[in-house]
Amino acid sequence: KNQVEQSPQSLIILEGKNCTLQCNYTVSPFSNLRWYKQDTGRGPVSLTIMTFSENTKSNGRYTATLDADTKQSSLHITASQLSDSASYICVVPMFSGGYNKLIFGAGTRLAVHP
Amino acid sequence: SQTIHQWPATLVQPVGSPLSLECTVEGTSNPNLYWYRQAAGRGLQLLFYSVGIGQISSEVPQNLSASRPQDRQFILSSKKLLLSDSGFYLCAWKDANYYEQYFGPGTRLTVT
Repeated sequence: KNQVEQSPQSLIILEGKNCTLQCNYTVSPFSNLRWYKQDTGRGPVSLTIMTFSENTKSNGRYTATLDADTKQSSLHITASQLSDSASYICVVPMFSGGYNKLIFGAGTRLAVHP
Repeated sequence: SQTIHQWPATLVQPVGSPLSLECTVEGTSNPNLYWYRQAAGRGLQLLFYSVGIGQISSEVPQNLSASRPQDRQFILSSKKLLLSDSGFYLCAWKDANYYEQYFGPGTRLTVT
């Protein structure tokens, strides 16, 4: 079954601290993996897209890693800010019915406290 | 630049009433369009997608329907809402030649 599972479900950290979010997927064949940030009550916004050949990709204080062999990805947030409080969603497309259907993880809800 | 709009932002409707949610995209042509629903604590669920005017594909059998009357307009409808239709509805667009999907601001629907 093609799935995307994320951990932890929720996380609380203090402002300025680092954290790492995990994503495991079983989607096959694999083409790319995306991380989105979703503020409460808003639509998701893309943070990064990683293709099969990429192991690490950074976007400011966000760094995503990908291990296509173990089908795992992580999102590392450095020097967290209050504005990082949001849900972080891991997404992997699956080719089905002639197009790429996105398989979404349930997300990790991050709360950054002062 | 491209922008995507959804309205209304929030909606409270009684069970059995009709529904119409609208999504429009600006700054692009012939986009792929998508309707998703997000339940609390769950991943986004694809409801419908469209690759062109009048072309609608449904992912999940339900009492919802979608239409694309114009190239950059996507409408989600229901004749009779159920309690289980409550949720956060997101429209998204994508250029057919690229990976990225761009999401709208969403509509929070509460069926009472």
